[in-house]
Amino acid sequence: QKEVEQDPGPLSVPEGAIVSLNCTYSNSAFQYFMWYRQYSRKGPELLMYTYSSGNKEDGRFTAQVDKSSKYISLFIRDSQPSDSATYLCAMSGTGGFKTIFGAGTRLFVKA
Amino acid sequence: GAVVSQHPSRVICKSGTSVKIECRSLDFQATTMFWYRQFPKQSLMLMATSNEGSKATYEQGVEKDKFLINHASLTLSTLTVTSAHPEDSSFYICSARAGLAGVGNEQFFGPGTRLTVL
Repeated sequence: QKEVEQDPGPLSVPEGAIVSLNCTYSNSAFQYFMWYRQYSRKGPELLMYTYSSGNKEDGRFTAQVDKSSKYISLFIRDSQPSDSATYLCAMSGTGGFKTIFGAGTRLFVKA
Repeated sequence: GAVVSQHPSRVICKSGTSVKIECRSLDFQATTMFWYRQFPKQSLMLMATSNEGSKATYEQGVEKDKFLINHASLTLSTLTVTSAHPEDSSFYICSARAGLAGVGNEQFFGPGTRLTVL
């Protein structure tokens, strides 16, 4: 079993839809949870960074962490064609803990 | 967010030559830098972790004599692909972190370097 599981998609939605992206994990030591967006042939860009359980909102993006279920989500409201990219979840523990990345979900938002 | 640059963005070289890729943290001091490799439509594969002033820690299966990493300062790490061969062609991405994993110590990625070995 991988430490982090993420459905690679692709996920195709119409413009304006609410997008839900998810990851599950197995290591209860993870405390820091991140979402990155990566456009084709570019480096990943940090979108959201959360600590422990709870929600965090930034514009059209909401990150949720449920540590009891070992499940994290990223919601994108009013999705736009420019949101079309690969979204990677990532998580880490404290100290010198390595960051573990999900496989990435490819999202296509159709105009 | 913090800015990480990478140079060159693209390089094409002949088989057998060595290629150096630079990774710089522009507005923060990076205690730790990471080097990743990414194949088309696949996720990031961590190659090695480097801490300023010490030897890099390589992931299993990564040849340290082939992929030389130097983290000489808190703002610069270099990856040298020695005697490159066509199978080394890939997208190489670095990332930098200010300290140990923790609040405010996110990893920030560079834009990547596309290496093509003929």
